[in-house]
Amino acid sequence: GAVVSQHPSRVICKSGTSVKIECRSLDFQATTMFWYRQFPKQSLMLMATSNEGSKATYEQGVEKDKFLINHASLTLSTLTVTSAHPEDSSFYICSARDTLARVGELFFGEGSRLTVL
Amino acid sequence: EDQVTQSPEALRLQEGESSSLNCSYTVSGLRGLFWYRQDPGKGPEFLFTLYSAGEEKEKERLKATLTKKESFLHITAPKPEDSATYLCAGPLNTGGFKTIFGAGTRLFVKA
Repeated sequence: GAVVSQHPSRVICKSGTSVKIECRSLDFQATTMFWYRQFPKQSLMLMATSNEGSKATYEQGVEKDKFLINHASLTLSTLTVTSAHPEDSSFYICSARDTLARVGELFFGEGSRLTVL
Repeated sequence: EDQVTQSPEALRLQEGESSSLNCSYTVSGLRGLFWYRQDPGKGPEFLFTLYSAGEEKEKERLKATLTKKESFLHITAPKPEDSATYLCAGPLNTGGFKTIFGAGTRLFVKA
């Protein structure tokens, strides 16, 4: 099946630094990728929709200057958490939609656990 | 308001004890209902897509069914390795392929 690779799986950083998370579709082209945040024992909260070659669309309440998204190619989207603070600590997950797939068949990365000290 | 609600929040079963998980939805213009499995510290793994009422899909010990208002994930004779969080989701009718997820059912299967 389709594979989405997310890196790094775990990252620990100091408060005030920036962290970049990569999401790659390995065997398909993804014009659309999604970034989620997940708190313990809660469901996935959609943060933004990343579209190849255009600006990301952010959900209400998500700071676009805080969470920078770049989708420069059909197989790569990046999420940069800028000036990270402890409250940004969370599990971040990306998903990618195969351009040839039916609507709901999203394929997810393994997730990235961010801990801000 | 579009909403996907799952119940129960958690389910504890003995190995071999069959049961069902529920997903009810109020998504206008629903274009499908999806089930995912998520293991701790991992991203969700796609299981099933159901597109119309009456449709059923099976995979090993899992069977997903769909009615006009809800979906069930039936687990037959579960094993400990079936322990995970099961998420259902539906695409929003916004034209942007966004998907709304339920909060999930945490399944624990004891040997």
